[in-house]
Amino acid sequence: AAGVIQSPRHLIKEKRETATLKCYPIPRHDTVYWYQQGPGQDPQFLISFYEKMQSDKGSIPDRFSAQQFSDYHSELNMSSLELGDSALYFCASSPIGLARQYFGPGTRLTVT
Amino acid sequence: AQTVTQSQPEMSVQEAETVTLSCTYDTSESNYYLFWYKQPPSRQMILVIRQEAYKQQNATENRFSVNFQKAAKSFSLKISDSQLGDTAMYFCAFSRMEYGNKLVFGAGTILRVKS
Repeated sequence: AAGVIQSPRHLIKEKRETATLKCYPIPRHDTVYWYQQGPGQDPQFLISFYEKMQSDKGSIPDRFSAQQFSDYHSELNMSSLELGDSALYFCASSPIGLARQYFGPGTRLTVT
Repeated sequence: AQTVTQSQPEMSVQEAETVTLSCTYDTSESNYYLFWYKQPPSRQMILVIRQEAYKQQNATENRFSVNFQKAAKSFSLKISDSQLGDTAMYFCAFSRMEYGNKLVFGAGTILRVKS
């Protein structure tokens, strides 16, 4: 069965650089969620999209932005990277009517 | 705002034995979902079990079962016949009933299964 695809899987950036993380949801899933998991921490919700519109927003820094495109894939753009942005970034998707989120493998971002 | 508390940072169990992980939550909602997710060393997030708050019957999935006490706002996970592959971080999570709602996670419990 198809799963959520995230790219890249690993990313190394320097401080003040920009990063773009991509998420390809499972086909026919119309909702995408982004979570950030710092070292030794639980995942924290960043932002979600339903039918290409932002549906909820969590503790996402103003330096971060995201969008969902017409093919339902989503991108998380992170600018002016800080050391504290080093984390595992998960994307999850869900189909309409099902209260279950399917997680991708995550993108590990390291800021040096 | 909803909060989820896991009071056991680490637990260990012998292979083939039973272990129970605790979770409490706080919410003013009457209908919601509760989940247990497993995160093995690969860091993949794997759904173990899901409970709808409006259902009185406790959810079960093979060796995994929950004890859902709505009045006490308690949601524990029981793992029977523990296997080495059960070694992982386990997160309890809450979601409001409305479609598309975010997951709110607890801090997690590291479970180590010993041979």
